[in-house]
Amino acid sequence: DQQVKQNSPSLSVQEGRISILNCDYTNSMFDYFLWYKKYPAEGPTFLISISSIKDKNEDGRFTVFLNKSAKHLSLHIVPSQPGDSAVYFCAATTTNFGNEKLTFGTGTRLTIIP
Amino acid sequence: DAMVIQNPRYQVTQFGKPVTLSCSQTLNHNVMYWYQQKSSQAPKLLFHYYDKDFNNEADTPDNFQSRRPNTSFCFLDIRSPGLGDAAMYLCATSRDPGVSKNIQYFGAGTRLSVL
Repeated sequence: DQQVKQNSPSLSVQEGRISILNCDYTNSMFDYFLWYKKYPAEGPTFLISISSIKDKNEDGRFTVFLNKSAKHLSLHIVPSQPGDSAVYFCAATTTNFGNEKLTFGTGTRLTIIP
Repeated sequence: DAMVIQNPRYQVTQFGKPVTLSCSQTLNHNVMYWYQQKSSQAPKLLFHYYDKDFNNEADTPDNFQSRRPNTSFCFLDIRSPGLGDAAMYLCATSRDPGVSKNIQYFGAGTRLSVL
């Protein structure tokens, strides 16, 4: 039972345009959400996160939006750059004491077209 | 730079021949994790250590074991690798989740092939 779903395996976007990556979750206990970026031959690196008490978090070109009622979050990248080409993983967790685990989605491969 | 280092990057083993993958960290983080990731799938948590406390996932096969001799090192032992164990193995670390919100730092992974 996949609790975090990224339904688009791949996405291509023109350089300079907006990239929107989507993620859905089913577990209502999740209260913290993270996006990781992975280049080939490297491990995933943390990109941006959001707590369930917020609906938006922004860091430079990256913004994550959370819609709790729809159990949906999205990552917006504006403007998209060639270096953004990577696989993006959505992850979720509950921040209650004693929980150290993340649940990951299957990833979306983003390709930025010059 | 502080980091998470996995060795080797590529490992080839024979069916049934024990293999050990290693992970070291210079971040001094409390928690260390091992994930298995197969092509086009989500990273799957195998187990993790919170300091010396070992936490096994319910669906992790007995074939997979782990050791954490000190804060810096963690090993993944596969006692009798099968063809289905060919995958990327990722090590990650995090600080106390109460502080870090479970932000994990990953190594580059070890790609295991089983012949």
